[in-house]
Amino acid sequence: QQQVKQSPQSLIVQKGGISIINCAYENTAFDYFPWYQQFPGKGPALLIAIRPDVSEKKEGRFTISFNKSAKQFSLHIMDSQPGDSATYFCAASLRSGGSNYKLTFGKGTLLTVNP
Amino acid sequence: DVKVTQSSRYLVKRTGEKVFLECVQDMDHENMFWYRQDPGLGLRLIYFSYDVKMKEKGDIPEGYSVSREKKERFSLILESASTNQTSMYLCASTVGGGVYTDTQYFGPGTRLTVL
Repeated sequence: QQQVKQSPQSLIVQKGGISIINCAYENTAFDYFPWYQQFPGKGPALLIAIRPDVSEKKEGRFTISFNKSAKQFSLHIMDSQPGDSATYFCAASLRSGGSNYKLTFGKGTLLTVNP
Repeated sequence: DVKVTQSSRYLVKRTGEKVFLECVQDMDHENMFWYRQDPGLGLRLIYFSYDVKMKEKGDIPEGYSVSREKKERFSLILESASTNQTSMYLCASTVGGGVYTDTQYFGPGTRLTVL
């Protein structure tokens, strides 16, 4: 059962364009929604994250939009650059094992930004 | 900087062999995780540990076991490797302590091929 659905699987954008990656979830117990960025040969690293009581969070060129009623959230990359080319994973956090939390990841989006 | 290291970047084993993947973190983190990453399937949680000698099954624990004898070290064990366990294995750690915004810090991954 896939609890976090991510689309598209791959995305090609021209330099300077806007990249948009979408995620949807079913479990309303999720309480934190991070995005991770992974470059080839590296492990994923936290990019930006949002709590469900906030509708939007912006950090530089990266923005998360969150729609709690629709159970959807998305990552927008403004002025996309070739250096943004990477795989992006959305995730959702759930309490497990007492007071600890684990993440459920989407399947990932391979972003290619052409120069 | 948090550092998560994995014992091997590439590993080739034969079907039926017992395989040990080692992960070490240097930031006194409480929680440690093992994922496997496959194209089109994203990151799937195998096992995690929220304390020494404590472990909890993730979404795909079958065919795997883990060991955490020391806080900084978390081992993934394939008791009898099979070809369908050929994958990229990623280790991660978090501070823990019930912080729901906890960031997962990933190692660089071990690409395991089972022949």
